[in-house]
Amino acid sequence: QKEVEQNSGPLSVPEGAIASLNCTYSDRGSQSFFWYRQYSGKSPELIMFIYSNGDKEDGRFTAQLNKASQYVSLLIRDSQPSDSATYLCAVTLNQGGKLIFGQGTELSVKP
Amino acid sequence: DTAVSQTPKYLVTQMGNDKSIKCEQNLGHDTMYWYKQDSKKFLKIMFSYNNKELIINETVPNRFSPKSPDKAHLNLHINSLELGDSAVYFCASTPRGANTGELFFGEGSRLTVL
Repeated sequence: QKEVEQNSGPLSVPEGAIASLNCTYSDRGSQSFFWYRQYSGKSPELIMFIYSNGDKEDGRFTAQLNKASQYVSLLIRDSQPSDSATYLCAVTLNQGGKLIFGQGTELSVKP
Repeated sequence: DTAVSQTPKYLVTQMGNDKSIKCEQNLGHDTMYWYKQDSKKFLKIMFSYNNKELIINETVPNRFSPKSPDKAHLNLHINSLELGDSAVYFCASTPRGANTGELFFGEGSRLTVL
């Protein structure tokens, strides 16, 4: 089982819709969860982090964490074509504090 | 001002050669990393240095040797390059006390081994 798993996509949504990106992780003791956005040919950039169960909102982005289910998600409301990118879920392992990335979900927002 | 800068951005070389990638950060961060991103976009940690001290050394062939002359610089030297080394190598940093997941990435160095 991979330590962090995401659907690779591509996920295609129309402009203005809600994009839902999902991630599961295997280390039950993980404490910190991150979403990075990577445009094609560019470097990853941190867009959200969440440490506690529940929802965390930042503008059009909402991160959701459910530690019991070992599940973290990212919702993007009012999706824009400029949101088209690969979204990487990352989890800090309980032991050693290493950051482990999922394989990323490619999101395409169609005008 | 570039916060985390890597050179070169592109390398094309033959199998068996040796190459180096340099990284510098002007953010005053204490911890620096090397990550490798393969053709499937999978990003995997290779090494981490905290204030010049090696703290993470993943299962990486010993052909890869990192070096940190000071806390603002982290270089990566690769000996006897193989086809499978072709990837984008990202340098990253994080400040002291920050969660190790809050990374600032460089622009990447795309290595192609022929």
